Amino acid sequence: NAGVTQTPKFQVLKTGQSMTLQCAQDMNHEYMSWYRQDPGMGLRLIHYSVGAGITDQGEVPNGYNVSRSTTEDFPLRLLSAAPSQTSVYFCASSNQDRRGTEAFFGQGTRLTVV
Amino acid sequence: LAKTTQPISMDSYEGQEVNITCSHNNIATNDYITWYQQFPSQGPRFIIQGYKTKVTNEVASLFIPADRKSSTLSLPRVSLSDTAVYYCLVGDMGQAGTALIFGKGTTLSVSS
Repeated sequence: NAGVTQTPKFQVLKTGQSMTLQCAQDMNHEYMSWYRQDPGMGLRLIHYSVGAGITDQGEVPNGYNVSRSTTEDFPLRLLSAAPSQTSVYFCASSNQDRRGTEAFFGQGTRLTVV
Repeated sequence: LAKTTQPISMDSYEGQEVNITCSHNNIATNDYITWYQQFPSQGPRFIIQGYKTKVTNEVASLFIPADRKSSTLSLPRVSLSDTAVYYCLVGDMGQAGTALIFGKGTTLSVSS
């Protein structure tokens, strides 16, 4: 199993450019989420989805859009990149049940906006 | 989600047992306690999860007192490779829409 796959691993953008960070999972998980991690900080939740067609905002959603058209994919879109969005982005997936849940994370996308 | 408080950093030497305590005074009845480990330049990795008393797996043990207002992650005989950030999360993970909220975690540094 590939688990959670994020592409690209590294990206440099110019201010104002747009791009999509890709996230795919092959575990048939219902729940997927995007986090950003800045140097010396913990992970902050951007957006999450509890199933295809359902998304919701996390702690820091401004400047990011998401959609969930399939169970497998959960892309994160930056419509107009800003230097403040320079960060490492992690995608995660899990199946939630009453016994608790284990989330699986991708290897991250390191984004630099200049 | 219940707020958690854990030390910002801890230092240890190889071969020692390390205990990281997490405080979660407002834990709810349906909440589980979950710990994640993160190495530099990698995504977090699930370590252990529990609801009450003690849980043990091949990596760590999790001790939860009867009032569940705190929990302790125990790493036996740490090695240099255990140097990482450890996150304590509390929440009703089975409730649809519940998001995993990470704090800043505890940075564990293991020296030889």
